[in-house]
Amino acid sequence: AQTVTQSQPEMSVQEAETVTLSCTYDTSESDYYLFWYKQPPSRQMILVIRQEAYKQQNATENRFSVNFQKAAKSFSLKISDSQLGDAAMYFCAYRSLYSGGGADGLTFGKGTHLIIQP
Amino acid sequence: ETGVTQTPRHLVMGMTNKKSLKCEQHLGHNAMYWYKQSAKKPLELMFVYNFKEQTENNSVPSRFSPECPNSSHLFLHLHTLQPEDSALYLCASSQDLARGVYNEQFFGPGTRLTVL
Repeated sequence: AQTVTQSQPEMSVQEAETVTLSCTYDTSESDYYLFWYKQPPSRQMILVIRQEAYKQQNATENRFSVNFQKAAKSFSLKISDSQLGDAAMYFCAYRSLYSGGGADGLTFGKGTHLIIQP
Repeated sequence: ETGVTQTPRHLVMGMTNKKSLKCEQHLGHNAMYWYKQSAKKPLELMFVYNFKEQTENNSVPSRFSPECPNSSHLFLHLHTLQPEDSALYLCASSQDLARGVYNEQFFGPGTRLTVL
């Protein structure tokens, strides 16, 4: 079974600064997806960024980018120019590429609470 | 309504009650999911429905009973719950086309369940 570990329960960053959230995972599979989800206080979980394990290039979405180290099984999220609206719980998640019957669930980490200081 | 909706948003029930959580997706997806989010624990996948067939049940206690009458609606029937079942229950949906093809899961706002 796969596991996802987020070792930072809480992180704080000044507005406009850059912050990096850590995520490591354990799997015996070679093909999989990794995700970062954001859950603001309103609780709606939103996909921030995704990475396919077979792609060497790190994914980027505007101010959000990842550092994917497949050999180290590390998948960190960098948020540049932090904004007040970035304050939320951030979850790292894993999904196998080849699921058994089609749809498959996500394996989540415990989350990191990101605080943005004005 | 757009996206994934869940009702009720808050629910308080006694251990002997029977209640149901409802999820509806307006995205035309063919797969739906129930997750449990407890404090200080990772989200836990409970049930997966693909094309209305349940494909995964992660050893969830029988006091939780899912129902998927069509591809747009998903229910979670609750009976004789325990206080430790208090949590946020999240519904999600996705459009899964074939084995090995994955599309984003869209989440609902959740139902905050408190079992007294």
